[in-house]
Amino acid sequence: DVKVTQSSRYLVKRTGEKVFLECVQDMDHENMFWYRQDPGLGLRLIYFSYDVKMKEKGDIPEGYSVSREKKERFSLILESASTNQTSMYLCASTLGGYVTGELFFGEGSRLTVL
Amino acid sequence: SQKIEQNSEALNIQEGKTATLTCNYTNYSPAYLQWYRQDPGRGPVFLLLIRENEKEKRKERLKVTFDTTLKQSLFHITASQPADSATYLCALPYSSASKIIFGSGTRLSIRP
Repeated sequence: DVKVTQSSRYLVKRTGEKVFLECVQDMDHENMFWYRQDPGLGLRLIYFSYDVKMKEKGDIPEGYSVSREKKERFSLILESASTNQTSMYLCASTLGGYVTGELFFGEGSRLTVL
Repeated sequence: SQKIEQNSEALNIQEGKTATLTCNYTNYSPAYLQWYRQDPGRGPVFLLLIRENEKEKRKERLKVTFDTTLKQSLFHITASQPADSATYLCALPYSSASKIIFGSGTRLSIRP
């Protein structure tokens, strides 16, 4: 069974802390994505990666960075967490090439920044 | 920039009726459009993909249409059931094959 695993379902952090959200997929997918989801705003794309060490900014990259050192792992980093980064974070993956296949999502990581 | 609008934040209908959800987009001509279902506290799950050269796609009680002139997709659930209650999201590729963006979703409630 295909799987996207996010390291933490719930996190509570303090303002200014560095936060790492990890995502691992076991499907050998080229493309991986980080979204955040907020009520009324839907899923907004933060960053995506189409290959190891390759990344592109999404619509809301400010305050975030990403790392893709291995094909199966895509990390989202909040260098200095702020309260407006309290949100549900969703990781997804899909096959490469001209993407027409489905996105597979993890269960999400709910981050609260105090 | 690309914008995706889903017609309403919430839709409430009677069991057995057909639910129709709308997805409108601007400023781009995507090669395909996808629909996802999301249950509370879970990640979205893929339902259907429709390509720009397809007018209609069906899967069991689901039907999707794609009108590239109107820049609109309609998502229908026929013979709706309470178990169909969820948030439904449309998604499409924007500016590059790998960048997938989503609408804000429509929360569908089916009452018995």
